[in-house]
Amino acid sequence: DAKTTQPPSMDCAEGRAANLPCNHSTISGNEYVYWYRQIHSQGPQYIIHGLKNNETNEMASLIITEDRKSSTLILPHATLRDTAVYYCIVLSLNRDDKIIFGKGTRLHILP
Amino acid sequence: DVKVTQSSRYLVKRTGEKVFLECVQDMDHENMFWYRQDPGLGLRLIYFSYDVKMKEKGDIPEGYSVSREKKERFSLILESASTNQTSMYLCASSSWAGRTEAFFGQGTRLTVV
Repeated sequence: DAKTTQPPSMDCAEGRAANLPCNHSTISGNEYVYWYRQIHSQGPQYIIHGLKNNETNEMASLIITEDRKSSTLILPHATLRDTAVYYCIVLSLNRDDKIIFGKGTRLHILP
Repeated sequence: DVKVTQSSRYLVKRTGEKVFLECVQDMDHENMFWYRQDPGLGLRLIYFSYDVKMKEKGDIPEGYSVSREKKERFSLILESASTNQTSMYLCASSSWAGRTEAFFGQGTRLTVV
């Protein structure tokens, strides 16, 4: 079973920041938070991951709360091409740890 | 450019047929995964492999088997296809389960009639 909880859908106006929340209250100390997204008819695509510090790359920022029980993915200036299903995943570094997807958040970017 | 290649984009098979879905990666990844995706159910893990000849069941292994004889290739086998196995099948690979990102193929849409 997925170890994360996400809202099923969200809307965001084009050009605004999209903030996607994720709860992972049972996360353990050696587990990272990963975000992927899936654009219609394509395979999922990696966005970003982090352990406890905030992370930023060219696609997004990841904010992890101090207790690590929740996180937020931020797309700073959402475009129509960001319309997708976003998945938050918790994963350890153990080589036999499985990548389990939840149902994700369907993000609609509104023109 | 990193690549996970699935042998077919679309496939139509008859009930009872033995079906092979092939996945090849060129990144020398240890881990490979097979998922199916159905509307309203998201991505569900069928099987994964963390080394050659090693396999572990995911959440929905019933009706499926896998084979990993070479590091770069991971095959999903439907021993006797049934209509409830009509789905989108996605293959993925990663260097470690959690150390690096996973890369996905484009998927195989299988229809069993």
